[in-house]
Amino acid sequence: EVQLVESGGGLVQPGRSLRLSCAASGFTFDDYAMHWVRQAPGKGLEWVSGISWNSGSIGYADSVKGRFTISRDNAKNSLYLQMNSLRAEDTALYYCAKDMGAVAKGNFDYWGQGTLVTVSS
Amino acid sequence: QSALTQPASVSGSPGQSITISCTGTSSDVGSYNLVSWYQQHPGKAPKLMIYEVSKRPSGVSNRFSGSKSGNTASLTISGLQAEDEADYYCCSYAGSSTFWVFGGGTKLTVL
Repeated sequence: EVQLVESGGGLVQPGRSLRLSCAASGFTFDDYAMHWVRQAPGKGLEWVSGISWNSGSIGYADSVKGRFTISRDNAKNSLYLQMNSLRAEDTALYYCAKDMGAVAKGNFDYWGQGTLVTVSS
Repeated sequence: QSALTQPASVSGSPGQSITISCTGTSSDVGSYNLVSWYQQHPGKAPKLMIYEVSKRPSGVSNRFSGSKSGNTASLTISGLQAEDEADYYCCSYAGSSTFWVFGGGTKLTVL
């Protein structure tokens, strides 16, 4: 059974940093691209960042480019999101999502339950 | 403002069919057959219902179908059931600078 478990969320002050983690199990992690997708309270979905199976291809939404860094450790079956210079508008539930392919096609076939990030003073 | 435009809400009676539209531009929906659809029940994670415009993942009912014409993609649900009541989001690849964009979501009410 595919499982994605996010962690690392919490309350953080504007301008500070936070690192999210996603522990994957139930599939061959290094065969697939992975993504972070967020959802602000009461709002829609927003793609944040994606990474190919071997970290050779990485992309970011304009809203986080230069502030967030995605990475993965295939030996640990884990995906990460380093978030710096956090802003109030980054407040959201952050989902880890698996792609159906090794190279990202945006077919998010499995999702975690999300970890909540709240940016507030 | 979302990159892809969806109706805020649609409704239908049990057994009926409904269609949700997702309008983009020639830079996203119109250029790539990489449109996917997600169902989200309140408090739950999204679920993939359709990928690459019209493909259905294993386990998804064949009552769900997808299509695309020009810059507009559509999700059709036939034989509406009470459990179909949820929010639905479309998503499209938008090129190597923007990557992926979502629609604003459509709330489906089964009357």
